[in-house]
Amino acid sequence: GENVEQHPSTLSVQEGDSAVIKCTYSDSASNYFPWYKQELGKGPQLIIDIRSNVGEKKDQRIAVTLNKTAKHFSLHITETQPEDSAVYFCAAEGLGGGFKTIFGAGTRLFVKA
Amino acid sequence: KAGVTQTPRYLIKTRGQQVTLSCSPISGHRSVSWYQQTPGQGLQFLFEYFSETQRNKGNFPGRFSGRQFSNSRSEMNVSTLELGDSALYLCASSRKTGISGNTIYFGEGSWLTVV
Repeated sequence: GENVEQHPSTLSVQEGDSAVIKCTYSDSASNYFPWYKQELGKGPQLIIDIRSNVGEKKDQRIAVTLNKTAKHFSLHITETQPEDSAVYFCAAEGLGGGFKTIFGAGTRLFVKA
Repeated sequence: KAGVTQTPRYLIKTRGQQVTLSCSPISGHRSVSWYQQTPGQGLQFLFEYFSETQRNKGNFPGRFSGRQFSNSRSEMNVSTLELGDSALYLCASSRKTGISGNTIYFGEGSWLTVV
């Protein structure tokens, strides 16, 4: 079945450094790739998304890149701040099952002050 | 515009009991999905409902069930509760327009503790 792999599972960076989280997906028909941030005790919140017709999208300190040929997409956070500490989930929307969204296993990001 | 609303937010149940969790999706959203998240774990997909029909189902035992009403509100039920059912249960809604690009929006979750 469809699968999304996410790496690393844990990432620790110094405040001000960049953080990169990578995902690969198996369903070549996927066209939509959202990223979510989950803070402690809360539900995941959408932070950025990208569609297959673009290779990169940026929103202030966060950016997402997509390589459809390789079926890879990545989240880049620049100038990290302690409030970026959270769990991040990538996801890919397939065409089957009524556009079912498959989530990666999550990356726990620690930003050290 | 109101977000996804889940009730109750916190509850404690005893082993063997059953529990019902409720979810009100964002207005206009016809798809409701449920996820289980245990501490430090990812999002385990339970099931998805669309227009009152279960469209997708995860790998959970039959003790976990759900339903969706005509107004898109959804409930999930867990019968014969086990200690391992203690988790955050997340509801998510999506418009599902029939074309790609359906953003999923999550509620804040219902924290279930089984003692």
